This record gives sequence, C-alpha cells and structure tokens, in this order.
Amino acid sequence: GAVVSQHPSWVICKSGTSVKIECRSLDFQATTMFWYRQFPKQSLMLMATSNEGSKATYEQGVEKDKFLINHASLTLSTLTVTSAHPEDSSFYICSALILQGTQETQYFGPGTRLLVL
Amino acid sequence: AQKVTQAQTEISVVEKEDVTLDCVYETRDTTYYLFWYKQPPSGELVFLIRRNSFDEQNEISGRYSWNFQKSTSSFNFTITASQVVDSAVYFCALSESTDSWGKLQFGAGTQVVVTP
Repeated sequence: GAVVSQHPSWVICKSGTSVKIECRSLDFQATTMFWYRQFPKQSLMLMATSNEGSKATYEQGVEKDKFLINHASLTLSTLTVTSAHPEDSSFYICSALILQGTQETQYFGPGTRLLVL
Repeated sequence: AQKVTQAQTEISVVEKEDVTLDCVYETRDTTYYLFWYKQPPSGELVFLIRRNSFDEQNEISGRYSWNFQKSTSSFNFTITASQVVDSAVYFCALSESTDSWGKLQFGAGTQVVVTP
C-alpha cells in the first residue's frame, strides 16, 4: 500500500487565494520530507527540504514567503501556496525519507495538481 | 549546471522492440546514488531502481536492466520486449552525499511511446 499520501489530489482556485497541500507518511515517521514542483512536460524540481520541528530549507529561486512549509509532526508536512497566481499552476509532489532498519528509503506521494484561474 | 542529462526527449517503438534510455550524470562526490523512476500519465512516480556509486554491477529485473559505468558517468536503462504499458516518462536522478540523501536532482526525462 501507499506509504506517502497527499491531499488534495487536485485543486482549482481563484487567483489571489491561498491553497494548502498536505503530505502524510502513513505508518512511518519521516524526519525529513521534500517538496518538488513539476510544470507540464518538464522535470521535477526540488523546492524545499522540510525537517520536523525546524524551518524548511528552500532551494535557490523559491520564495519562502510564497511557499510556506510546515513540518509540525513526524508524519505531516504542509505546503501552503499563498496568494496563488496562474503561474503557480503546477503538479506538486512531496516525498518522505523514511528510516527502515539501517537504510533510508525515499517514498513519493501521488502528487497534487494545482490550477489557479 | 545540469547534473543529470537525459539527451533523448522522446523514443517511439513498436511493441516487443527493445528500448534503451540514456542517462549521463555529473558529480564530484565519490559517494552518491543514482535512480530511475517511471511516471505514467497519472503522474505518480514509480520507483524502479536505486544504485549506489560503489556498486557497478549491472542489474536485471524482469524486462528491465541497467548498465552503470562510472568510467563514462552513465547509468543507462533498457526495457526488453517493450509493451504498451511501458509508455511513460522515465526520469533518471542523482542524490549526492554532500546533500541530504533525499534531495534528488532529476534529468529532463525521456518520453517512451510504445505502439501496438
């Protein structure tokens, strides 16, 4: 079964509104989660690294005030797209780094499609 | 600078043909991981393989096989006897030891189209 879930799977919103996307690790604790963005026909680009209990680390060019990341627990990270605009329309994918035994394994969520009108 | 290069944008084959996807990477780290993921039209990434930099053995899993050559910094992926269900975008990715292991740098992807 799925190890990482995302909610919602798709969302349509009006320009100027904020949208929250949840990423949950199911049955496992994930100290580190990652948020990626994928524009149509393009590759995945890492947006930020989210560590439980601390501030997220953003990649160069990603506005931290626009993409708010909260990792309040070992099983939940949220990405809030604030004041969304049409150019923020994209496929947002989270992943969780999960320690299984002595090995860390990364699991990706199913993604969230955001369309900003 | 692009660290993972997938030069093939799209490959079209007829069912049962073999298809090889190229991946060339660039890193100064001696310890790193390489990955291949499949992304069908649904969008969900499907993990195919992870290979660490110290393991150059080629691997075969069913119809899939991988050729890792450090000398040429390549990690190529072959689908043998392709099927229509193999139609998807395939991504090669790199994770370097200087970063968190979960930080993946993806190539541009190769669209594979398998026609009956």
